[in-house]
Amino acid sequence: GQNIDQPTEMTATEGAIVQINCTYQTSGFNGLFWYQQHAGEAPTFLSYNVLDGLEEKGRFSSFLSRSKGYSYLLLKELQMKDSASYLCAVRSRSNDYKLSFGAGTTVTVRA
Amino acid sequence: DAGVIQSPRHEVTEMGQEVTLRCKPISGHDYLFWYRQTMMRGLELLIYFNNNVPIDDSGMPEDRFSAKMPNASFSTLKIQPSEPRDSAVYFCASSLQVNQPQHFGDGTRLSIL
Repeated sequence: GQNIDQPTEMTATEGAIVQINCTYQTSGFNGLFWYQQHAGEAPTFLSYNVLDGLEEKGRFSSFLSRSKGYSYLLLKELQMKDSASYLCAVRSRSNDYKLSFGAGTTVTVRA
Repeated sequence: DAGVIQSPRHEVTEMGQEVTLRCKPISGHDYLFWYRQTMMRGLELLIYFNNNVPIDDSGMPEDRFSAKMPNASFSTLKIQPSEPRDSAVYFCASSLQVNQPQHFGDGTRLSIL
């Protein structure tokens, strides 16, 4: 199976920066995805990393280190609407390229 | 463009009844996935299809669960007979290719009494 760990909860202030870490253990790593899920809604795709380094998309960035089995999602200039659960998902050849999802990190943005 | 469309959005039924969940993937997407999400177990893959063919159903919990994809624009997930422990949110997702991002429908919130 896939071991994916991410913090359960994080709280931050509007306008601040929050970094959500994700560590994983897998063989045949083939990509890491970040999804955002607001309460009662569907997960929506945020970012994808398959090579080491930083991918930036507006206020959101995602970083990957394959050698360390580590990724983070960076949320900048936090807004109230960023309050949601953030899911880390790993794809691997050893799991027939299926996505395995972490339990999610609930981020609460306070005014 | 229309996203993944699921129906019904909510379903409440008594245990022992048959439940059928429906999904229309994004047009042109070759892959369709069925997931179940609960507080205890998170988001779990149940089964996925490629070009209407079931590829991996190892996540289907037991024989009470079955899924079909009769054509490229329609899939069903059926539970018969349903049990209270099947209560969860069931998501359908689709993607162009297996290594492309998956796009999720709004889900069906299922409650078995």
